[in-house]
Amino acid sequence: GDSVTQMEGPVTLSEEAFLTINCTYTATGYPSLFWYVQYPGEGLQLLLKATKADDKGSNKGFEATYRKETTSFHLEKGSVQVSDSAVYFCALKGAQKLVFGQGTRLTINP
Amino acid sequence: DTGVSQDPRHKITKRGQNVTFRCDPISEHNRLYWYRQTLGQGPEFLTYFQNEAQLEKSRLLSDRFSAERPKGSFSTLEIQRTEQGDSAMYLCASSPPWAWRTSYNEQFFGPGTRLTVL
Repeated sequence: GDSVTQMEGPVTLSEEAFLTINCTYTATGYPSLFWYVQYPGEGLQLLLKATKADDKGSNKGFEATYRKETTSFHLEKGSVQVSDSAVYFCALKGAQKLVFGQGTRLTINP
Repeated sequence: DTGVSQDPRHKITKRGQNVTFRCDPISEHNRLYWYRQTLGQGPEFLTYFQNEAQLEKSRLLSDRFSAERPKGSFSTLEIQRTEQGDSAMYLCASSPPWAWRTSYNEQFFGPGTRLTVL
């Protein structure tokens, strides 16, 4: 069945560092890909999405490109802030349901 | 425009008791989803409704679990004879109809109901 694998955390960085969180997927067909973020004590929020190969999703300085040839959707940000500390989930959507990775906890130190 | 709401936010129960959770989706969203999230894991799909029809159920949804969406608006998830393994965060999400093209593929999540079974 469909699956998503994220790089294991936790990840700890200093403010203004470059961020990459790796995500690869296995799916039949052509899924849509998403990154969700969960801030402490809050619900899941959609961060960005891409619906077809070579699409780039972007939001709040975060970017991810749908790479069909490598079945990847890595999340990047050029300069992280303390407020980016959260848990990040990569997910794919085939027909209806979302399939999530296990999440990566990110901590940014000032 | 209000988001997805869930009630209660927290529920503590004793093993063997029945519990029921409610989800109110975003107005005019015709699709509704339930997920379960255990500590340190990503959410796992439980079931999906389009309007009032339950169209897909995960094998995670044992016969102790039942979900309804009687009028195609709010939904309830009931767990009978709760077990300690049912302790988790139960998440509800909704999606708009095809007419809302740009967000059709998106799922909007509620804050979740945290269940603790003692």
